[in-house]
Amino acid sequence: KAGVTQTPRYLIKTRGQQVTLSCSPISGHRSVSWYQQTPGQGLQFLFEYFSETQRNKGNFPGRFSGRQFSNSRSEMNVSTLELGDSALYLCASSEASGTVGETQYFGPGTRLLVL
Amino acid sequence: AQSVSQHNHHVILSEAASLELGCNYSYGGTVNLFWYVQYPGQHLQLLLKYFSGDPLVKGIKGFEAEFIKSKFSFNLRKPSVQWSDTAEYFCAVTNTGFQKLVFGTGTRLLVSP
Repeated sequence: KAGVTQTPRYLIKTRGQQVTLSCSPISGHRSVSWYQQTPGQGLQFLFEYFSETQRNKGNFPGRFSGRQFSNSRSEMNVSTLELGDSALYLCASSEASGTVGETQYFGPGTRLLVL
Repeated sequence: AQSVSQHNHHVILSEAASLELGCNYSYGGTVNLFWYVQYPGQHLQLLLKYFSGDPLVKGIKGFEAEFIKSKFSFNLRKPSVQWSDTAEYFCAVTNTGFQKLVFGTGTRLLVSP
């Protein structure tokens, strides 16, 4: 099976702009989670989507939003970009079968630089 | 709130040395514990996980970890490291039934040949 794919891989934006990142989960996986990775804060959970619904949310401002489509593909959007939004954004997918200890599989990430 | 502590931020070892990376978590309730590894330029990938049963779990590439409930710890071990183990290692925890992983700050391991 193909792994989790994320597009684009690299992105440069300026403050105030908005950005949309895309994630395609592993085939058959129904849950998609997003994480932000920065040198200062490490890996932080943004949100999780399952069956087109946001199921969990981390402590990020409302400028960060996401959605999931019927084919489980997901997008996240960041509006009114700030310098501090520069980070590696990781997407992870899992089967969401209800199995205890289910593994999340990570994509390569989208590296966003805000100037 | 859930938190995960990794005490060693940077570790430097020579090949064939033994490795132990500490991980402590703060959370009440049933947890699932994971160690992920990020090799230079590669994706985060799962090394091993614990969710129930034998507290000593074995993962890929000769790694193992022991869950000690009374100490809220899940330390990662490898008896003999190789140069190819140079990477960043992340401990993570989640509640059973939830997908929100809470990560530690990571430990950068450098293995010198």
